[in-house]
Amino acid sequence: DAKTTQPPSMDCAEGRAANLPCNHSTISGNEYVYWYRQIHSQGPQYIIHGLKNNETNEMASLIITEDRKSSTLILPHATLRDTAVYYCIVRVVNQGGKLIFGQGTELSVKP
Amino acid sequence: ETGVTQTPRHLVMGMTNKKSLKCEQHLGHNAMYWYKQSAKKPLELMFVYSLEERVENNSVPSRFSPECPNSSHLFLHLHTLQPEDSALYLCASSQGSTVSNTEAFFGQGTRLTVV
Repeated sequence: DAKTTQPPSMDCAEGRAANLPCNHSTISGNEYVYWYRQIHSQGPQYIIHGLKNNETNEMASLIITEDRKSSTLILPHATLRDTAVYYCIVRVVNQGGKLIFGQGTELSVKP
Repeated sequence: ETGVTQTPRHLVMGMTNKKSLKCEQHLGHNAMYWYKQSAKKPLELMFVYSLEERVENNSVPSRFSPECPNSSHLFLHLHTLQPEDSALYLCASSQGSTVSNTEAFFGQGTRLTVV
């Protein structure tokens, strides 16, 4: 299973963009990058995913480097409610498409 | 509301009790998962069911016994648990058995306390 590396914690000022990096240098060509977040003791919430093109939805943008070895999740205007642990996951394509969670990045949005 | 429902939300059980956790989804998904999350730790994958067949069992002790009677329901049967089994147990589902480009949805979890 391809592993991911994320910084353990980050701070962001409210209203500013939050840029969360992730390294996944062993990713295979057909594996997708997924981002989830978990707000204290709730179930993880899906944010976005991508294969090789940049993706954007109502929550965030995902920028994947051309070699696919790293990606960045961008929350364009962070709010206090975005304070959470953010997980970057490389999804296995077989075995039921399981998601293997790493340590994640604890994002604190401050007023 | 993700469409994945877990019951009960909270459970306190003694070490000699037998209880079951239930997960239900009516999203038409074909893969279901159990995760365990201990305090301040990331999620640990326990079991994966794909098309109602168990395809992964991550060295989970036999005191945890999963059951998937149909594609919409997943159970985790618990017996003779230890205090260190106290954790948040999360269920998820997806179309991951047949589609790689699809998200998984999580329930809100069952907070289990073993006394």
